[in-house]
Amino acid sequence: AQSVTQLDSHVSVSEGTPVLLRCNYSSSYSPSLFWYVQHPNKGLQLLLKYTSAATLVKGINGFEAEFKKSETSFHLTKPSAHMSDAAEYFCVVRSASKIIFGSGTRLSIRP
Amino acid sequence: EAQVTQNPRYLITVTGKKLTVTCSQNMNHEYMSWYRQDPGLGLRQIYYSMNVEVTDKGDVPEGYKVSRKEKRNFPLILESPSPNQTSLYFCASSLRGGGYEQYFGPGTRLTVT
Repeated sequence: AQSVTQLDSHVSVSEGTPVLLRCNYSSSYSPSLFWYVQHPNKGLQLLLKYTSAATLVKGINGFEAEFKKSETSFHLTKPSAHMSDAAEYFCVVRSASKIIFGSGTRLSIRP
Repeated sequence: EAQVTQNPRYLITVTGKKLTVTCSQNMNHEYMSWYRQDPGLGLRQIYYSMNVEVTDKGDVPEGYKVSRKEKRNFPLILESPSPNQTSLYFCASSLRGGGYEQYFGPGTRLTVT
């Protein structure tokens, strides 16, 4: 069985400071992992994905994530937050058939 | 333009009145899926389809039906809607299962009174 846990429901950072959104997963085999972003009243957009290639994955808008098998984690980071990063972020684990979303982390950016 | 479309975008209905939310993709994707999004719960998979005539239950299938008669279409049917099905619904598609990126529709906001 698969599961995914986003450790923080809400993260608030100041503009220009680093962002860390935490995600732990559980899977009985090597999973595919994704991060999606949802801006207010908008649909979902793919930020990045891990599919058993490089463990450090670079995505759009300066985001990256590192797959750590020993820690079963796939945390999302960005060196410097921008006001436009304010949104809800979802960590996703995917098997060949089913897809499990985390409960989401709302990122707020303080001016 | 490659896209997933959903209709209607907004729907207010009454308990027990059957409704269908349509979903269509123009990317020749094999995999399609329906989700509902509720505050604090993220997106939960309702049903998915690996290909034409192949559908299976997700995590919250109760009260919903789907069909996949054509590759491009994957309608979601609520035979007898109830207030606990008030939610934001998303359709998504991907080339196949596994590590392929999903493309999401714009969402359908359903209110059942």
